Amino acid sequence: QQQVKQSPQSLIVQKGGISIINCAYENTAFDYFPWYQQFPGKGPALLIAIRPDVSEKKEGRFTISFNKSAKQFSLHIMDSQPGDSATYFCAAGMNYGGSQGNLIFGKGTKLSVKP
Amino acid sequence: KAGVTQTPRYLIKTRGQQVTLSCSPISGHRSVSWYQQTPGQGLQFLFEYFSETQRNKGNFPGRFSGRQFSNSRSEMNVSTLELGDSALYLCASSLEPSGSYEQYFGPGTRLTVT
Repeated sequence: QQQVKQSPQSLIVQKGGISIINCAYENTAFDYFPWYQQFPGKGPALLIAIRPDVSEKKEGRFTISFNKSAKQFSLHIMDSQPGDSATYFCAAGMNYGGSQGNLIFGKGTKLSVKP
Repeated sequence: KAGVTQTPRYLIKTRGQQVTLSCSPISGHRSVSWYQQTPGQGLQFLFEYFSETQRNKGNFPGRFSGRQFSNSRSEMNVSTLELGDSALYLCASSLEPSGSYEQYFGPGTRLTVT
């Protein structure tokens, strides 16, 4: 019930295309859903995050779509660029006894954007 | 503002040894969480500290421990190292536990156990 399932495992997109990564969760107590981007040799960097009271959040070329009833959320990268090539992780968090420091991560999606 | 810093960046240890990793959070951040990242298991939560107290703990054996100092800097310790402990250990800081989930990660410490 604590799992976050992420798909696909890898994704190849042409430059200028749309990259879509999906995640699903079971535990309805989750109330925070961030996406992280990780380049080789670096730590994950927070990209964008959403709370379940909104269905969509957009920041630049990155959009999170959230479907509370289906317990699914997705990351859309518009006009994908070669510089977007990285591993993307979805995660879910909840307040647990005052602690919000425990994020449950998906297994990651390796995105390659071809020029 | 400087980001989260972790030292050392790389470490090679032998089975049975112990290791201490250090994390300095972003200035003003009071909560520090630790994660283990491996190719097989992905990113897994180890523990979270706030005000020098462990607030939450993941499903790891007691060989993994941590602490936080009054300046919010944190250390984690792994005793009796096993080959399976080889991983990237990531530290993340957030402003405070309540009201802000946003966690910012450091570059990690790459631990290799031989």
